[in-house]
Amino acid sequence: DAKTTQPNSMESNEEEPVHLPCNHSTISGTDYIHWYRQLPSQGPEYVIHGLTSNVNNRMASLAIAEDRKSSTLILHRATLRDAAVYYCILRDPLGGNTPLVFGKGTRLSVIA
Amino acid sequence: NAGVMQNPRHLVRRRGQEARLRCSPMKGHSHVYWYRQLPEEGLKFMVYLQKENIIDESGMPKERFSAEFPKEGPSILRIQQVVRGDSAAYFCASSRWGLQETQYFGPGTRLLVL
Repeated sequence: DAKTTQPNSMESNEEEPVHLPCNHSTISGTDYIHWYRQLPSQGPEYVIHGLTSNVNNRMASLAIAEDRKSSTLILHRATLRDAAVYYCILRDPLGGNTPLVFGKGTRLSVIA
Repeated sequence: NAGVMQNPRHLVRRRGQEARLRCSPMKGHSHVYWYRQLPEEGLKFMVYLQKENIIDESGMPKERFSAEFPKEGPSILRIQQVVRGDSAAYFCASSRWGLQETQYFGPGTRLLVL
């Protein structure tokens, strides 16, 4: 899987939008962009994924750059429960059996 | 639909003892993955299993560690003769079709080796 780069940490005020960036300049044409998050003392949970078009679900939105070399996970209104480590992971459905490769992710702190 | 279950949630062992970690995948999921997370680090893949088969164990230490996913019952990660360096959180995930599908994680087992 291609490598991703994320800031180590970010901070947000409660009820404000949060934009979590991810760079993936070596992304291949068949790589999907997946986001997982890990709340304190819990296992990771799936957040969202996309290929080319922007995606929305009940948890977040994913904005993908036109050249696909970067993407942004958007939390529209951060809550204290969104404080977690967010991981951006590339997955190639044609790449055969490869495991999830977790980097260091971005640790999001939410301030009340 | 119950999520991925792991037990025990916390396990304390003395050096040299054996640790058995259990994982029950989500209903309808036949693919199980084990990851290990050392303190202050990201998750590292250990092993990928389907029912009765080990598909990829490239992340498993060569000695003392083994995993199985029998036809009936949970998947088991077994660590023999534990050492202090085995202290970590061990997470199990499951998926329906295989590695390229969304993986659903359990709450983890936190192993402490004294």
